[in-house]
Parts: sequence; structure tokens; C-alpha cells
Amino acid sequence: RKEVEQDPGPFNVPEGATVAFNCTYSNSASQSFFWYRQDCRKEPKLLMSVYSSGNEDGRFTAQLNRASQYISLLIRDSKLSDSATYLCVVIGGNEKLTFGTGTRLTIIP
Amino acid sequence: DAGITQSPRHKVTETGTPVTLRCHQTENHRYMYWYRQDPGHGLRLIHYSYGVKDTDKGEVSDGYSVSRSKTEDFLLTLESATSSQTSVYFCAISEARVSGEQYFGPGTRLTVT
Repeated sequence: RKEVEQDPGPFNVPEGATVAFNCTYSNSASQSFFWYRQDCRKEPKLLMSVYSSGNEDGRFTAQLNRASQYISLLIRDSKLSDSATYLCVVIGGNEKLTFGTGTRLTIIP
Repeated sequence: DAGITQSPRHKVTETGTPVTLRCHQTENHRYMYWYRQDPGHGLRLIHYSYGVKDTDKGEVSDGYSVSRSKTEDFLLTLESATSSQTSVYFCAISEARVSGEQYFGPGTRLTVT
């Protein structure tokens, strides 16, 4: 089993809709979690950290489910500019940082 | 945006030739990283640095070497490029060790023919 797994998508979502995707991790001792976005042919950029209590930043909500070992990212009222690939990052109990392969999101006008 | 530049941005080279990629930061961050990104793989760590002249291997370090003679510069060298090293290379920086809060450079697209 991969350390970090993401559904590659693509998720094709109409503008204004709500979309959510998950990232599962295999190491139950993982301690820190993050979401990045990566536009086509650009560098990854930090989107938000994922706290145990959840984290909300405008239209974006990140949550952690330790029991089922996944983090989620929910985007409300999606915009065309949200089209990107979303990468999760997990820091394991051994302090190893692992990137997921990303979920591609396309917002359709 | 964090002040990180990479050069060159694109390079095509032949198998067996040496190649050096440069990463330059203006943020004075202690930690610097080199990653490669390939389809079907997440970003994979090649080497990282935790200070001037202090470097260590990542998970895919074979065939690569690094040097950091100044805080702001981190060089990645492919001693003898192979086609399997065709990839997009990203440099990143962070303030803390083992940090998920990293800031990436714009990347270098390297093609080895």
C-alpha cells in the first residue's frame, strides 16, 4: 500500500458547485498534514495546513479523520480559478514527508 | 511570493553529459530541498540541505550530487545524465526542519536525449 494515496481524477465540476476530495495515508503515527495546489506547468503552492480540529479559509475547508486515516479538502462555491491539481502532504511519525500524486480538478463554466 | 529562482528553466542535454541546476533564494531560509516530479509519482526528495555545506540524501539520490557554499544557493548536479533523469526539478525552501510549509521555485524542465 502506498504511504499516501489520492484519486487522480479528473474531477469535472460546474462553477458554483461544492467539491470534496480525500487523501488517505497508511502510517497511523502521521503527525502533520497539508494541502498544496499546483497549476498546470507551475510550482506547488501551499494552500493550507490541516489541524486536528479542522481548518477553514474562506471557501476552503480541510479536515482530518484520524480513525479512518484520511484528510479531506472541500471547496464551496467553486470558481474557474480553482482549476488545478491538489496535492496532499503527510509527515509521518518518522518525520518523513510524503507528497501525494495529486487530484486534478477542472471547474466548468 | 517567496524569492526563489531556478536556472535554467529549460534544458535539453545528451546522455552522459554533466548538468548543473541552480536554486537561488533571497529569504535566508536555512533549509533547502531538491525534488523531482514525474507522472504517476508525487514529488520525490533528491537531496536536502540544513545549512551551508550541510547536506543529506533523500529517497532518490542515486546519480545526483549537491552543494551549498552559500546560504542562498543550492546546486544540483547530474554527474552523467541518463534518460531516466528526464523530469521536472523543483527547488524548495523552508524555515523549519521537516516542514510541510515549503516554498517552491518555478521548476526546471530537463530532457535527457
